[in-house]
Amino acid sequence: SQELEQSPQSLIVQEGKNLTINCTSSKTLYGLYWYKQKYGEGLIFLMMLQKGGEEKSHEKITAKLDEKKQQSSLHITASQPSHAGIYLCGAPPGSQGNLIFGKGTKLSVKP
Amino acid sequence: DAGVIQSPRHEVTEMGQEVTLRCKPISGHDYLFWYRQTMMRGLELLIYFNNNVPIDDSGMPEDRFSAKMPNASFSTLKIQPSEPRDSAVYFCASSFHRSSYTFGSGTRLTVV
Repeated sequence: SQELEQSPQSLIVQEGKNLTINCTSSKTLYGLYWYKQKYGEGLIFLMMLQKGGEEKSHEKITAKLDEKKQQSSLHITASQPSHAGIYLCGAPPGSQGNLIFGKGTKLSVKP
Repeated sequence: DAGVIQSPRHEVTEMGQEVTLRCKPISGHDYLFWYRQTMMRGLELLIYFNNNVPIDDSGMPEDRFSAKMPNASFSTLKIQPSEPRDSAVYFCASSFHRSSYTFGSGTRLTVV
C-alpha cells in the first residue's frame, strides 16, 4: 500500500525565516494535496497539485510537485506566527476516491 | 455554503455505550469520507461513499463500527459498544468528483 512520509516531523523557526516541508510518496503520485490543521480544529485546504513540475503559490506559501521524485515540497517565505500549525500532505492512492495522508509536520514560529 | 457539518463537536461516553457521530456533507458533493485521527496513527480512512453507496470500508476497525448514508445530505458513524481505544478525533469530509476534499471540524470522542 502507498505511504506518504513527511519531513521534518517538527520544526521551530524564528519569525521572518524561510522554511521547507517535504512529502515523499512510496509510489507514483497522482496528485498531491496540502492541508493545514490547528490544534482541535479541522483540516484547512491549502493547495492541490496535479501535474509533475506544477507549482502553486498562495500568499507566502509555495508548493511544488516533482513526479519523478514522487515528492512534493511546501515552502513558506518570511514565516509569521499565523503560519504555526500542523501541515499535512495527502494523495489519492491510484484510482481510488479517497486520500491517504502523511503523519504531518508540526510548525512553531517564534515571535 | 456552510461547509461540512459534524455533530457533536465533543462526546464523552462510558465504555460499552453506543456512540453515534453525524455528518452533513456539502450540497452537491458526491463523495463522503470518514477519517479517524490519533497521535499514534495519524489520519486513517475508515470508510467512504460514492453517491451514497459504500465503496471501501476496509479501514473500519471491527464489527463494532458501522456507517450509513441514507441520503446525499446525511451520514452517520456508529460505534457499539464503545471502548477506550476508540478515543480519537473523527473527521467527515466530502468531495465533488474527487477534485477537492473539504473536511468538517471533527468530533472529539473520549471513551472512559
